[in-house]
Amino acid sequence: AQRVTQPEKLLSVFKGAPVELKCNYSYSGSPELFWYVQYSRQRLQLLLRHISRESIKGFTADLNKGETSFHLKKPFAQEEDSAMYYCALSQIKAAGNKLTFGGGTRVLVKP
Amino acid sequence: GAGVSQSPSNKVTEKGKDVELRCDPISGHTALYWYRQSLGQGLEFLIYFQGNSAPDKSGLPSDRFSAERTGGSVSTLTIQRTQQEDSAVYLCASSFSGSGNSYEQYFGPGTRLTVT
Repeated sequence: AQRVTQPEKLLSVFKGAPVELKCNYSYSGSPELFWYVQYSRQRLQLLLRHISRESIKGFTADLNKGETSFHLKKPFAQEEDSAMYYCALSQIKAAGNKLTFGGGTRVLVKP
Repeated sequence: GAGVSQSPSNKVTEKGKDVELRCDPISGHTALYWYRQSLGQGLEFLIYFQGNSAPDKSGLPSDRFSAERTGGSVSTLTIQRTQQEDSAVYLCASSFSGSGNSYEQYFGPGTRLTVT
């Protein structure tokens, strides 16, 4: 069975400091990994996905299959990055792409 | 354009009563998902619809939970004989297709269910 683990429930950093959110997964096949973000009073939305290899809002994430990790990083955190972040894994098969989520990490960026 | 909408936004019900939660997906999206967000369990998959195929019900926690999708569009999640542990935010998401390529899932605002 697939599993996503986010070991930190809360990360508190100062504005301008680097931030790294850890995500580890277990999956027997070839996974697709995502980071979703939920800002205060907003709906859950996609931040980035590993196949895109993009940098979104200064965030990057690299899939490390050897370590089964997909950590999210930003070199200089901003106050508007304060939100709840979820790492998620998708099973790519004919039956659909349902997401398995980690427990989430709350990021608080202090001024 | 219009995103995924859900109704009601909040629902308070007494233990043992039945509830229906509604989801209107983005027009043209053939895949529809229900998830549940609760304090104890985090975000968990419940059920998935893709076109006219049989739904994937593997995430439904008990036979008190059921869902249907009429005309390939609107979906209703029904919880019978609600229990206090059913209290959660129920999220609906839709995407272009759930098969093969992985498309972005767009989430609704959720329905907060409180069972007293």
